[in-house]
This record gives sequence, C-alpha cells and structure tokens, in this order.
Amino acid sequence: DTGVSQDPRHKITKRGQNVTFRCDPISEHNRLYWYRQTLGQGPEFLTYFQNEAQLEKSRLLSDRFSAERPKGSFSTLEIQRTEQGDSAMYLCASSFHRGQRGTYEQYFGPGTRLTVT
Amino acid sequence: AQKVTQAQTEISVVEKEDVTLDCVYETRDTTYYLFWYKQPPSGELVFLIRRNSFDEQNEISGRYSWNFQKSTSSFNFTITASQVVDSAVYFCALGMIYNQGGKLIFGQGTELSVKP
Repeated sequence: DTGVSQDPRHKITKRGQNVTFRCDPISEHNRLYWYRQTLGQGPEFLTYFQNEAQLEKSRLLSDRFSAERPKGSFSTLEIQRTEQGDSAMYLCASSFHRGQRGTYEQYFGPGTRLTVT
Repeated sequence: AQKVTQAQTEISVVEKEDVTLDCVYETRDTTYYLFWYKQPPSGELVFLIRRNSFDEQNEISGRYSWNFQKSTSSFNFTITASQVVDSAVYFCALGMIYNQGGKLIFGQGTELSVKP
C-alpha cells in the first residue's frame, strides 16, 4: 500500500495569487488532516475531515483558506490572495478511526513547501 | 488548554552515545494519547509510537525506549547507542480521546545531531 502523497512538493508564488494543494491519503483511511509547519516549529492543526465532512477548522484557518474532500477520497487546500505570512510547509495526514473516540496514529505525507514572494 | 513542551531545542552527540529527549505535556483531561514522530531531513514525519494515558508501562523497541510518567506529565524518549541515521528532528505530540476530532498538538521539536 502506498503512503500519503501530496502535490506539488514545492510551490513558489507571488503575493496575491491563489494556490491549491492536493493530498491523497492512504486508501482505507477515513480521516484526513491538514497541518501547517513553519521553520523551527512543530506542525499546527488547520482542519480535518471524516470521510467527506469537514468537522473542525482551526482559528488559524482564515477565510482565505478553504479545504475540500469530495467523495471522501483526496483533499484539496486552497489559499486565496496569498500573503508572505502564508509561507510554510503544508502537511497532510490520514488515519483510520473506529467509532467516535480515540486519536489513532496519523500518517503524514511529504508536505508541500509554499514560498510567497 | 493542552500544551506540549520540548525544552531541548538541539542536542548533539557522538555516535554510540545514549541520548534522552524530554517531553512534558499539559492537559486537564485524564485520558489522552501521547505520540512521538521523527522528521528526517527529507521532511516527512514518521510515526514512532502511540501510548494511552491508561498504560504507564515503559516500552522498548530495538534501540528506542519510552518512559511515561503520568505523575510528572512526562513522556521521554531514549535512543541507545545512537547512530548517524538517527539525526532528525523529533516531535512529541498529545492527542485527546474525547471529542476534538483526534487532532494532534505538537511540541516544538528537538533537533538531534549524531556525529560519527
């Protein structure tokens, strides 16, 4: 089985442009998470999906950010009108949850490094 | 509020030395999970271990061992006989059992450098 994949691996964009990232989770995983990691910091939670439903969004996720997971498979994260402060590594992770409780191990993709100039 | 603190920003050791990475967490919940992840220079986070708050038994996996002490809210990670391939950033993370969707709260990480 393949792991979590993300595309692109690197993205350089000019301030004000829109960007979209894609994440393909491990196929049988029903939960998908997005995190953001800046240099020298640990990943910070942005949002997560249970199948196709987006169940939680962090306050870090401004209205310029939108995420989707159509059909409960791959997910996209779009940033509109990018700002220099959006420069970071965007990480996707997936996990399989049984029932409503628990925090099961999340498997991470290689990340998309965004640079806003 | 939940928080994870990894006070050691950087550690440098010589190959074959033992090294312990510290992790202290804060939560008001009595049930939770703790994790360790490794982030090598390639950037991908690699899952190492998950422990739940019910089980304080220490765990050993090869050269890796983990010491969980609920009384001091610590979940320390020891690498025995370190190798150059252990060089990476190591993250400790906290996950809640009830509600909160299973998101992980990470510490700032400890960068381990193992020199030959």
